[in-house]
Amino acid sequence: DAGVTQSPTHLIKTRGQQVTLRCSPKSGHDTVSWYQQALGQGPQFIFQYYEEEERQRGNFPDRFSGHQFPNYSSELNVNALLLGDSALYLCASSSRPGANVLTFGAGSRLTVL
Amino acid sequence: GQQLNQSPQSMFIQEGEDVSMNCTSSSIFNTWLWYKQDPGEGPVLLIALYKAGELTSNGRLTAQFGITRKDSFLNISASIPSDVGIYFCAGQTVGANNLFFGTGTRLTVIP
Repeated sequence: DAGVTQSPTHLIKTRGQQVTLRCSPKSGHDTVSWYQQALGQGPQFIFQYYEEEERQRGNFPDRFSGHQFPNYSSELNVNALLLGDSALYLCASSSRPGANVLTFGAGSRLTVL
Repeated sequence: GQQLNQSPQSMFIQEGEDVSMNCTSSSIFNTWLWYKQDPGEGPVLLIALYKAGELTSNGRLTAQFGITRKDSFLNISASIPSDVGIYFCAGQTVGANNLFFGTGTRLTVIP
């Protein structure tokens, strides 16, 4: 049974560029949350998607946007990249919104130069 | 936003020793969780706590939900090398869909 899969695992971008990260949730899960983990810090909530809609958003600017597809997979898009966007981006899936038992993927490490 | 502070930030212990770490918050949480993150991996849930004062065990791990609902503790008994990693506490408030994570405790076990 596959867990949460994320792609790409690593990527390097330059300031001002745009990036798209992808996530496939664990089988049986329909809710996807995205977290940003800066080096040496704990994960910070970006937003959560359920039924193809953004259900809750953390304290992140509009440059961060997302999408959920009918098969429950999700994308995170970041526009106009800043150096400070360099981080590990974690996708977590759950069986419902509000669930606290999350299954995390291994993350996509973004480096902005 | 909620601030969760973990202590200690890092620990170096001998294999076989017991470990204690804690997490404090400026806000009340209704659920406390403890996750472990290995290098190159995402966090994995260890223990979930749902009631103030609750004490829950998972093998050699024991966690407690503080009475004030603003803190939680994690103990690891008889540490082994595979306990190495970063331990995060996380809290959830009523009605929220997200978790707030702590700053992490990095554990190193010396064989």
